[in-house]
Amino acid sequence: SSELTQDPAVSVPLEQTVTITCQGDSLSTYSANWYQQKPGQAPVLVLYDKDKRPSGIPGRFSGSSSGNTASLTITGAQAEDEADYYCQSRDNSGGHYVFGTGTEVTVL
Amino acid sequence: EVQLVQSGAELKKPGESLRISCTASGYNFDSHWIAWVRQMSGKGPEYMGIVYPSDTYARYSPSFQGQVTISVDKSTSTAYLQWSSLKASDSAVYYCVRRTGSGWNFYFDSWGQGTPVTVSS
Repeated sequence: SSELTQDPAVSVPLEQTVTITCQGDSLSTYSANWYQQKPGQAPVLVLYDKDKRPSGIPGRFSGSSSGNTASLTITGAQAEDEADYYCQSRDNSGGHYVFGTGTEVTVL
Repeated sequence: EVQLVQSGAELKKPGESLRISCTASGYNFDSHWIAWVRQMSGKGPEYMGIVYPSDTYARYSPSFQGQVTISVDKSTSTAYLQWSSLKASDSAVYYCVRRTGSGWNFYFDSWGQGTPVTVSS
């Protein structure tokens, strides 16, 4: 079972703001990274080191962290942002990696 | 451009062996760890284990230790994931991923396209 817990699903009206969270003990020590996965595709890294965006990821994606909770915010959600989002960090032992349970984002 | 290209879909029977591959290009293969990630149908990704191409050292998630073998061939910049005796529960899509980062944080910045594996009698 995952050591990183996410809400299963959220919805957001087009061009509004949505925040998804990821909770886990290891996040008080290690940074969270976030991946977007669309149906039938491989996951894509959208945030790393808590709040950094890889090249090509739109500025509407931002990240933050407090204590054992990491957050990904989409400001001005677009239809193409509809996807599953997974957080990732190290496990509680620090020796391995773990993914969150995933959040399905629906853009209304 | 970094690319990880995986071998094609597999249909196998329980008890059979299997090796799937992941060929890297566009970067120094020796310099980045390569991990394997399982994704069962309708579920999230699961980290299986990781290998360092430079010295071929591999380590495994406790959930997958003893169940699979991860290896590399530096001469072809290829990583492998291998099973000696498949089970139906091994049916999933398997991704190879490149690990990047430093210090306290590592992440997976490049993903292969995935190899679907179906194990059925």
